Amino acid sequence: GAVVSQHPSRVICKSGTSVKIECRSLDFQATTMFWYRQFPKQSLMLMATSNEGSKATYEQGVEKDKFLINHASLTLSTLTVTSAHPEDSSFYICSAREEAGPWGTQYFGPGTRLLVL
Amino acid sequence: QQQVKQSPQSLIVQKGGISIINCAYENTAFDYFPWYQQFPGKGPALLIAIRPDVSEKKEGRFTISFNKSAKQFSLHIMDSQPGDSATYFCAASSSNTGNQFYFGTGTSLTVIP
Repeated sequence: GAVVSQHPSRVICKSGTSVKIECRSLDFQATTMFWYRQFPKQSLMLMATSNEGSKATYEQGVEKDKFLINHASLTLSTLTVTSAHPEDSSFYICSAREEAGPWGTQYFGPGTRLLVL
Repeated sequence: QQQVKQSPQSLIVQKGGISIINCAYENTAFDYFPWYQQFPGKGPALLIAIRPDVSEKKEGRFTISFNKSAKQFSLHIMDSQPGDSATYFCAASSSNTGNQFYFGTGTSLTVIP
């Protein structure tokens, strides 16, 4: 299957700092990428849909000024958690939709574990 | 509102047994139903997927059964192995609404030797 990478895999930061997470589709182009947040033993919560060359669409309750998304190319989307607080600590996962694949199949990255002290 | 309902929440199966996870949906516009497998600390991996024009799809030990009239679909894992122990998520999407995925709540499967 298609491969999606995320970097970093885990990050620890101090409260008030910003953290950038990269999501890359390695062997296919993705005009649409998705950012999810997952709490322990829970399902994936969609935060936003990232579209190449346009503004991201955020889900209700997700602060767009806090979670900045940039989809600068067909293979890269970034999520920046600004002014991070301990409650932002979570597992963040991106996915990329393979346009050439059947039915808009989404392939997920390995996730980024964020810990805000 | 949970668009896709998944059960059971957890499942314990003996090695060699059949694991069955069920999902139900309401939105008849859904036209793509994937299953994902997730190990702790990892991202979900696509396991198998089906469209509503077929009632069953089999890939190795994994089978999806789809009942369009009942708006239900299920994952069957035959000859379950300890390595299958993971969390399984069903999902549904519609090509009419940008293929946004609606996930089930997940099933934690434990296969005991």
